[in-house]
Amino acid sequence: GAVVSQHPSRVICKSGTSVKIECRSLDFQATTMFWYRQFPKKSLMLMATSNEGSKATYEQGVEKDKFLINHASLTLSTLTVTSAHPEDSSFYICSATPRARDRDTQYFGPGTRLTVL
Amino acid sequence: DAKTTQPPSMDCAEGRAANLPCNHSTISGNEYVYWYRQIHSQGPQYIIHGLKNNETNEMASLIITEDRKSSTLILPHATLRDTAVYYCIVSPSGNQFYFGTGTSLTVIP
Repeated sequence: GAVVSQHPSRVICKSGTSVKIECRSLDFQATTMFWYRQFPKKSLMLMATSNEGSKATYEQGVEKDKFLINHASLTLSTLTVTSAHPEDSSFYICSATPRARDRDTQYFGPGTRLTVL
Repeated sequence: DAKTTQPPSMDCAEGRAANLPCNHSTISGNEYVYWYRQIHSQGPQYIIHGLKNNETNEMASLIITEDRKSSTLILPHATLRDTAVYYCIVSPSGNQFYFGTGTSLTVIP
């Protein structure tokens, strides 16, 4: 149980375009979802926290107009990288906290590798 | 910011116990100690977490010192598939996780 999926797993786009990444909790409803990014050989960095039906809370230094987060339901959150540039190339990972059982644990998705040309 | 300190790397012989330490001297009373691991190019995998008492599950054991300022993750019989980066995180009940640099564990045949 407690499976989180991400789609796509890998995406390549041209500079200036926007890319949407989906994060789904497959077998549970998520109270909260989180988005992280990870550069090569570095640790995960929290970008934002989102609760279903409310605006996301962004970490300091993360541009909310650049990284649009929508948490439309208890099982789906999306991250849109707008006007992507090569420096946005990274590994983006989401996580979710179950609404019921295991409420105090985060479960992570497999990640999305974004490459901006 | 991460509130944990871990050694950057460790080796362990296959079949032996791997003991991964973590210091969290500024941990608050309501903060849990979580352990995750990340195999290259995958999302982190939950291992175990605890508040005060030692915990054990099918993957590992977590030993938390009485003053809660440090902990040790024990993989009782390490296999090659346990090679990964292990992260120790302190957080109140599954809220925002601030990852440190973790320990890169290499299990040697």
